[in-house]
Amino acid sequence: QITLKESGPTLVKPTQTLTLTCTFSGFSLGSRGVGVGWIRQPPGKALECLALVFWDGDERFSRSLENRLTLAKDTSKNQVVLTMTDMDPVDTATYYCAHLQYFGWFFDSWGQGALVTVSS
Amino acid sequence: QSALTQPASVSGSPGQSITISCTGTSSDIGGYNSVSWYQEHPGEAPKLIIYDVNNRPSGVSNRFSGSKSGNTASLTISGLQAEDEADYYCGSYTGFTTFYVFGSGTKVTVL
Repeated sequence: QITLKESGPTLVKPTQTLTLTCTFSGFSLGSRGVGVGWIRQPPGKALECLALVFWDGDERFSRSLENRLTLAKDTSKNQVVLTMTDMDPVDTATYYCAHLQYFGWFFDSWGQGALVTVSS
Repeated sequence: QSALTQPASVSGSPGQSITISCTGTSSDIGGYNSVSWYQEHPGEAPKLIIYDVNNRPSGVSNRFSGSKSGNTASLTISGLQAEDEADYYCGSYTGFTTFYVFGSGTKVTVL
C-alpha cells in the first residue's frame, strides 16, 4: 500500500522560502518508472502541477514557477523536499505530493495535503 | 501551459448519466493517450478514477468511463448517485518540457 504525507509550515510570511517534505512508503523512488509530484490547489481553485522528480533523478518544473522551485530527493529516507522561494499571498494553497506512474503519466496515490497560508 | 478547459458545472438526477468534457490541444490531449481523471470530495485529496483515457484503477466503480476524440477527452458517469457529487479534474501529459497539465475542474451536482 502506497502512502504519502506532506509536512511543513502552515504559515509563511511574504518573501520567505517555503520548504515542504513529502514522506512516503510502499514504493521506492529508486525503482524504474516511479516519480513523485508536487501539486497545489489554491482555495476554491483548480489543481496545478508544480514539479516532478523521477527515479533516475530527472526533474521537471512548471514553466511559470521554475525559477522559484527546487527539489531534493532522498531515496534512503523515502522523502522528497520541495523548496519554493519568494512566497507571495497568491501562493496560499493546499500543497499535495503524489505518486506518479511514469509509464502512463497519472497520479495514482495522493497525500492528504498541507495547507500553507502566506500572510504577514 | 494553459489549463485544459472543462465546464464549470454539470448536474443530473439520480440514475441519470452525465458527461464531462475536457478540451485541450494537439500538444496535450490530442497528442498522447495519457489522459486521467480525478474525483475530489470537499476536504479530501483527489482520487484517481480513470487513467490512460479509459482505464479504471482497481476498486473504482464501472459507472465511470472515459473516452477521447481528437483534442477532447470525456468522462461519463452513469447511474448517477449522491456520492458522485464532487469536483472532477482531467489531466494530461503535455510532452517533455511542460510535462503535465490539469483541467479547470467541474463541479458535479446530483439534483
